[in-house]
Amino acid sequence: EVQLVESGGGFVQPGGSLRLSCAASGFSFSSYWMDWVRQAPGKGLVWVARMNSDGSSTSYADSVKGRFTISRDNTKNTLFLQMNSLRAEDTAVYYCVRVNYCFEYWGQGTLVTVSS
Amino acid sequence: DIVMTQSPDSLAVSVGERATINCKSSQSVLYSSNSRNFLAWYQQKPGQPPKLLISWASTRESGVPDRFSGSGSGTDFTLTISSLQAEDVAVYYCQQYYTTPITFGQGTRLEIK
Repeated sequence: EVQLVESGGGFVQPGGSLRLSCAASGFSFSSYWMDWVRQAPGKGLVWVARMNSDGSSTSYADSVKGRFTISRDNTKNTLFLQMNSLRAEDTAVYYCVRVNYCFEYWGQGTLVTVSS
Repeated sequence: DIVMTQSPDSLAVSVGERATINCKSSQSVLYSSNSRNFLAWYQQKPGQPPKLLISWASTRESGVPDRFSGSGSGTDFTLTISSLQAEDVAVYYCQQYYTTPITFGQGTRLEIK
């Protein structure tokens, strides 16, 4: 069974940093591209970042470019999102997603709240 | 960026009746080399992550009831629920995965009348 379990969310002040993790199991993690998607409270889905299967290529939404960094450890079946210079508008549930062209599997999400 | 626009924003349908949600992309998501539309539909119930219902505009995922169907090509797409059930109450999103940035429609809230 495919499982994606996010962690690392929490409350942070504007300008602060957080590192999200996504532990993957039930599939060959190193074979799949992985993405992060976020959803602000009561709002729609917004794509954040993508990493290819071997970690050699990344892509970011303009809203996070230069502030967020996606990475992965294929030896530990884990995806990461380093979030720096956080803003109030980054407040959202962050989902880890397995990509097979479209978004096949989603984690349950982890909530990030940016507030003073 | 490809802008995805859904209509309507919300919809109330009686149990057993048909529900139709439309999605329009600002440019074609049909990849000419393989004639596939890079368009997916997701269902999100309250407190849950989204669930993939349909990929390639019309391919229903395993386990998805056959009352759900997708159609369309190029820039205009439709999700149809042929006979609405109470458990179909959710927000539905279309998504283009033709190119990054990946973009979603704003969502359509489906309720029971």
